[in-house]
Amino acid sequence: AQSVTQLDSQVPVFEEAPVELRCNYSSSVSVYLFWYVQYPNQGLQLLLKYLSGSTLVKGINGFEAEFNKSQTSFHLRKPSVHISDTAEYFCAVVTGGGNKLTFGTGTQLKVEL
Amino acid sequence: DADVTQTPRNRITKTGKRIMLECSQTKGHDRMYWYRQDPGLGLRLIYYSFDVKDINKGEISDGYSVSRQAQAKFSLSLESAIPNQTALYFCATSDSYSSSYNEQFFGPGTRLTVL
Repeated sequence: AQSVTQLDSQVPVFEEAPVELRCNYSSSVSVYLFWYVQYPNQGLQLLLKYLSGSTLVKGINGFEAEFNKSQTSFHLRKPSVHISDTAEYFCAVVTGGGNKLTFGTGTQLKVEL
Repeated sequence: DADVTQTPRNRITKTGKRIMLECSQTKGHDRMYWYRQDPGLGLRLIYYSFDVKDINKGEISDGYSVSRQAQAKFSLSLESAIPNQTALYFCATSDSYSSSYNEQFFGPGTRLTVL
């Protein structure tokens, strides 16, 4: 069975600093990977996705992620965060041929002045 | 996403009551899902439906039932609510005919409190 591990439950960071939110998955077959963001009191919004092709994926709001098959990782990065990036971020995976998303437990990003 | 709507947005009820949460979508997607979100646990799949005649249990279906009344409507019922069903519930859709068919689109959520 596939699983997703988000190693940090909370990440505090100062505004304009870089940030990396870590995600590791377990699967021996091909995968599709997603990062979703949940702003306070809102639903989930897709940030970016990896389906195939280039391992560096760019998403909305200046975020990017890199698929690393050997490390089974899909870490999310942003070079300079803003207060408005304060939210919870979820990594999710679907294995090739599968039909269901498996979510990580989420990382709360708190951007401080 | 305004194309996926959930009603009600908030609900407080008592133990033992029957509750129905409704989800409607105008995206024309064939697949629909129900999740619950609990702090520190992420989202867990309750039920999913690939078309009107296809209903499948997710990882935490006990205590819940669903109905797919039409392609655009998918309801979640709690037959006899209990306090540990207090959570944030999300509906989602996906399009199996799309090249990115695994991408899911989420509604705004329903916050349910069972006293």
